[in-house]
Amino acid sequence: AQSVAQPEDQVNVAEGNPLTVKCTYSVSGNPYLFWYVQYPNRGLQFLLKYITGDNLVKGSYGFEAEFNKSQTSFHLKKPSALVSDSALYFCAVRGYDSNYQLIWGAGTKLIIKP
Amino acid sequence: NAGVMQNPRHLVRRRGQEARLRCSPMKGHSHVYWYRQLPEEGLKFMVYLQKENIIDESGMPKERFSAEFPKEGPSILRIQQVVRGDSAAYFCASSPLAEGTEAFFGQGTRLTVV
Repeated sequence: AQSVAQPEDQVNVAEGNPLTVKCTYSVSGNPYLFWYVQYPNRGLQFLLKYITGDNLVKGSYGFEAEFNKSQTSFHLKKPSALVSDSALYFCAVRGYDSNYQLIWGAGTKLIIKP
Repeated sequence: NAGVMQNPRHLVRRRGQEARLRCSPMKGHSHVYWYRQLPEEGLKFMVYLQKENIIDESGMPKERFSAEFPKEGPSILRIQQVVRGDSAAYFCASSPLAEGTEAFFGQGTRLTVV
């Protein structure tokens, strides 16, 4: 069965420090991987995706994610956190042959402290 | 190009009433997805529609819930005889193609059943 795990409910980082939000997945075949961010009382905004190619994907707001096939991970990273990055982050995966069904992680609350 | 538009943003219904949630996809998008989000939880897939067709409704409760995406006009998620447990945020997303493309989300409709 396809699944996505975000092992941390909450991540706390001091402003200016690097941040990592973890995501691991399980799909049959090659994955399409996505990160979305949700600010309070708002919809989800697309951050970045991995389809194929370079394992390091760059996205919006200075975020990047590294696809690691052997570890089946797609961790979200940013070199220097901002207070405004505080939000809920969701990882999602779609199997190559599942054509549309996105499987979502439970979300990780990121808190950046000044 | 306007984003995905959902209305109303907030909807209050008494138990037993009907709730109608509307979603206008982005221009050129023919694929619509509905999700439900409970407080402090991730997204739960409900239904996937293309114009005039329901492709996958496996995430939708068998009773009281229905969805449509007519040839003209917005997609509608309809909840009949609402109960308190239906209180949640309902998000609509759209995409131009099914495979490999990110979905774009609306701001959501927050349904409160009193």
